[in-house]
This record gives sequence, structure tokens and C-alpha cells, in this order.
Amino acid sequence: AQTVTQSQPEMSVQEAETVTLSCTYDTSESNYYLFWYKQPPSRQMILVIRQEAYKQQNATENRFSVNFQKAAKSFSLKISDSQLGDTAMYFCAFMRYGGSQGNLIFGKGTKLSVKP
Amino acid sequence: DTGVSQNPRHKITKRGQNVTFRCDPISEHNRLYWYRQTLGQGPEFLTYFQNEAQLEKSRLLSDRFSAERPKGSFSTLEIQRTEQGDSAMYLCASSPGGGNQPQHFGDGTRLSIL
Repeated sequence: AQTVTQSQPEMSVQEAETVTLSCTYDTSESNYYLFWYKQPPSRQMILVIRQEAYKQQNATENRFSVNFQKAAKSFSLKISDSQLGDTAMYFCAFMRYGGSQGNLIFGKGTKLSVKP
Repeated sequence: DTGVSQNPRHKITKRGQNVTFRCDPISEHNRLYWYRQTLGQGPEFLTYFQNEAQLEKSRLLSDRFSAERPKGSFSTLEIQRTEQGDSAMYLCASSPGGGNQPQHFGDGTRLSIL
């Protein structure tokens, strides 16, 4: 069974600084997808960034980028130029590729606070 | 695109009662997912549909839980004989397909069992 581990329950960062959130996962699959989702307080969960395991190039979306290390099964999220609106729970998630794949497997989340 | 809509937003009920939640996905999204999220945890997968077919169910989905998507549009999740441990946020998500297609989440229904 696949598992996703986020070892940092809470983190804080000063506005305009850079922060990195950690995620490791365990799987015997060779092809899969990885995601970072953001859940602001009392608001909907939204997709931040996604990565296909077969792609070597790390995904980037504006201020958000990932460091995908397939051999180490590590998938960290870097947020540059942190903004107050980045304050949220961040969840790392795994999805199998192909077959009956459909569900996301989430980590327990990291609560990020951006301080002015 | 009006987003994924879930009703009700909050449900308070006594232990032993039945409850039903509704999810309206983004139109033309053929995949619909149900997750459960308890305090301090990430969402846990319950079940998903492709159109009207229920393709996968988690072991978390006990016999007291049933989900339907009768016409491949909205979905309902029913919990019979509710227990204290059913208290959670129930999230619905939809996507236009599988694979790396992003899942769009609703606001969730928060269930509290007295």
C-alpha cells in the first residue's frame, strides 16, 4: 500500500521569504502522479502543483516549485516570495497511474503560517 | 464553471440517525470522488464514480455507508445508524477524467454526531 508522510506538522515563514515543505512517500509503483494541495482556513482545497513521475523535470507554477527525487521518494514544495495569502494547510498527495487508479492518498498536512 | 457544490454545509444529528449528503460536481466532469477528513488529518478516500458506475470503494466504507450517482450527474452519500466516529468533514471532488487531471473539491459537509 502507498503511504505519504509529511514530517512537519507546522511551519512559519516571514512574508517575502522562501519556505520548503517536505514530503516523502512509499510505493512499489514506477509510474504515478504527485500533487500538492492547499487548504486555506475554512475554504476549499485547491491544487497547487502536480508532477508526473516519468518526467525528470521538476514542475513549477509561478512562485511554487517542487524538488522531485524519485530514487529517494521525496517530493518537496518550495514557495518563493511568500505572501500572507499562502497561509494554509498544505497536503502532499499520491495517485497511482493506470488501472483502477482514481483516488488520491494524502499526507497529514503541514500548517503554514506566513507572518507579516 | 460554478465549482463543486455540497449540501448541507453542516449537519448535526443524534447517534443512530441516518444522514444523506449531496454533491453536485462541475458540469461535464465524469469522475466524482468522496473523501472523509477528520481533524488534524488529510482527506481519506471513500469511493469514486465514473459517470454512474461506482468503480472503487475504500475499506473505510462500511456497510452503513452507501453512495449513488444515478444519472452520472449529482451524487449522494448516505450514512445509516450514525456513530460517534462518523463525525468528520465529508469532501466531494470531481475531475474531467483520470490520471493527472486535477480534482476540484467542494467546501465539504461537516457532520457532527451528538
